[in-house]
Amino acid sequence: ETGVTQTPRHLVMGMTNKKSLKCEQHLGHNAMYWYKQSAKKPLELMFVYNFKEQTENNSVPSRFSPECPNSSHLFLHLHTLQPEDSALYLCASSQEDRRYGYTFGSGTRLTVV
Amino acid sequence: EDQVTQSPEALRLQEGESSSLNCSYTVSGLRGLFWYRQDPGKGPEFLFTLYSAGEEKEKERLKATLTKKESFLHITAPKPEDSATYLCAVQALDNYGQNFVFGPGTRLSVLP
Repeated sequence: ETGVTQTPRHLVMGMTNKKSLKCEQHLGHNAMYWYKQSAKKPLELMFVYNFKEQTENNSVPSRFSPECPNSSHLFLHLHTLQPEDSALYLCASSQEDRRYGYTFGSGTRLTVV
Repeated sequence: EDQVTQSPEALRLQEGESSSLNCSYTVSGLRGLFWYRQDPGKGPEFLFTLYSAGEEKEKERLKATLTKKESFLHITAPKPEDSATYLCAVQALDNYGQNFVFGPGTRLSVLP
C-alpha cells in the first residue's frame, strides 16, 4: 500500500472517552504532521515530527497527545475532548525540506458528543 | 506574520465557463507557493508548486501563475469533475524546515 493512510475514517466519541487516531505513510518521508480542519477555517497545524522527534507543538491543548514511534507511523491520542474539537483531523508527510509539499491522508472525521 | 487569503470564498461556474481563483500572500520571503485540491471528506491533493515570480505550471484544464504578491489558478473550460475546494499555501524562506501557512480555500462548483 502506498501513500498516507489514516484510520479510522469516522469516529464518534463521548467527552469522557479515550481514543486514538492512527496514521501510516509508505513514502519514505521523514516528516509527519497533524492538522485540524474545521468548517470555513484554514488548516490548523497541530504537531510536527522530524525523524521521530517532535519539533513543533502549536499551542495544542493537552487533551491531544501525539506519538511517533518511528518515521512511518504517527498517532494522536484523544482524552476528555470538548464538542468544539469536532473536526476533520488530517495527517500529512513530507520530505524534510518540504519543497515538494505535503502528501495528505484522507482524514478522520471526529465528532465529540 | 505570514498570511494567506483566497478569493472568492465560493464560485459557481457553468460547464465550459473559464475563470480564475486568487491567492494573495504576505511573507517575508517566499520559498514556495503550493496549490492543493480537496474533495469533500478527503485530504488535500497536491497540484502545483511555484517558486518565483513569473513562473507558470499547467495540468489539464488548470494553470497556476505567480507574482510577488499573489497567485492565480486559472480554470479553462471547467467540467463538473473540477468541483472541489482549492487551497493555497505558502512556505517562507526564513522558515526552512518549518511549515506551510494555508489559506481558507475557494469552494468551486461547476454545473453541467
